[in-house]
Amino acid sequence: GAVVSQHPSRVICKSGTSVKIECRSLDFQATTMFWYRQFPKKSLMLMATSNEGSKATYEQGVEKDKFLINHASLTLSTLTVTSAHPEDSSFYICSAPDKRESSYNEQFFGPGTRLTVL
Amino acid sequence: GNSVTQMEGPVTLSEEAFLTINCTYTATGYPSLFWYVQYPGEGLQLLLKATKADDKGSNKGFEATYRKETTSFHLEKGSVQVSDSAVYFCAQTNFGNEKLTFGTGTRLTIIP
Repeated sequence: GAVVSQHPSRVICKSGTSVKIECRSLDFQATTMFWYRQFPKKSLMLMATSNEGSKATYEQGVEKDKFLINHASLTLSTLTVTSAHPEDSSFYICSAPDKRESSYNEQFFGPGTRLTVL
Repeated sequence: GNSVTQMEGPVTLSEEAFLTINCTYTATGYPSLFWYVQYPGEGLQLLLKATKADDKGSNKGFEATYRKETTSFHLEKGSVQVSDSAVYFCAQTNFGNEKLTFGTGTRLTIIP
């Protein structure tokens, strides 16, 4: 199946700094990517839809100025957590649908990025 | 709106036991249904799917049948192995809408 990578896998930063997380589709193009946040022992919460060449679409309650998303190319989306605070510590996961094969668009997930804000 | 309700965990079973993880959904229209698995330290992987009523998804000995009448998609396996220990997520999406709605996840631990 298709492969999605994320970088870094783990990051620790000081409160007030910004952190950038990359999501790449390695062997397919993705005009759309999704960013999720996973809290400990909780489900995945969709944060936003990243759209290549246009603005991201944020879910209700997600601060777009806090979580900046840029879909710079057909294989790369970035999530920047600006002025990070300890409550932003979480596991961030991206996914991308592979539209090559059929009418059903299977989504492929990155391995996730563990963010810890001190 | 669309939602997925999943059996709360954690679930602990002995090797070779029978597994059922319940999942029900609410949706407008006709959703596609999925089970994803997250092994320790790894990202989510699609385990199986069903795109219309009465479809049965199967993979690695796991099965789930899309039951429209009960709005359910329960995951089953006849004989679990230690390597099945993971977190299992039930999810849905409507055709043409790529957004996935996840259940809360069920942590499964299989003991030898």
